[in-house]
Amino acid sequence: ETGVTQTPRHLVMGMTNKKSLKCEQHLGHNAMYWYKQSAKKPLELMFVYSLEERVENNSVPSRFSPECPNSSHLFLHLHTLQPEDSALYLCASSQGIGTSGGYEQYFGPGTRLTVT
Amino acid sequence: EDQVTQSPEALRLQEGESSSLNCSYTVSGLRGLFWYRQDPGKGPEFLFTLYSAGEEKEKERLKATLTKKESFLHITAPKPEDSATYLCAVRGGTSYGKLTFGQGTILTVHP
Repeated sequence: ETGVTQTPRHLVMGMTNKKSLKCEQHLGHNAMYWYKQSAKKPLELMFVYSLEERVENNSVPSRFSPECPNSSHLFLHLHTLQPEDSALYLCASSQGIGTSGGYEQYFGPGTRLTVT
Repeated sequence: EDQVTQSPEALRLQEGESSSLNCSYTVSGLRGLFWYRQDPGKGPEFLFTLYSAGEEKEKERLKATLTKKESFLHITAPKPEDSATYLCAVRGGTSYGKLTFGQGTILTVHP
């Protein structure tokens, strides 16, 4: 595997289900991100992890719970979601998050989530 | 708060017809302006990073430029395979790692 991978690619879940999204980066990066992409809206940052420590939680509802067990893996645990949570969830990674550099973010293919 | 506005929302070109996409931004302490390409059903693909006004970068038929208030993505003699959504994002100096994205420009190149 190369780059950033995400599983599953598609997920349909009911409002009472619990599911998890998985992301893995094969780039040797130290920072990982979750973004939400809804139709007709810009990408929205949800969470930032640097060296497995959460450094930003962008006012995301508690029904989304991230987990970063190591610098290569990132999870997004989902529970009691609403239909408006249906979107493309993108994972990204970057070399770092410091202010001295641009630190390009590299994205995975995304998980298309539908909440019924 | 950092803001990014892209125009036009959609652009249709004939193959070989050159044009430009615009990205206007306001940011506190620019740490980088990024261009990405996104194909349907896929994640954004990194194209360029620009750091300071006057900087330019090129890749095949694409050239990105930066001023203090906006960035342009120039497409020279486009081909149908250049059809995609082009996203612009900025990183300010106030939040670690956070990129603020525009809504994107949907480019369609007809043969």
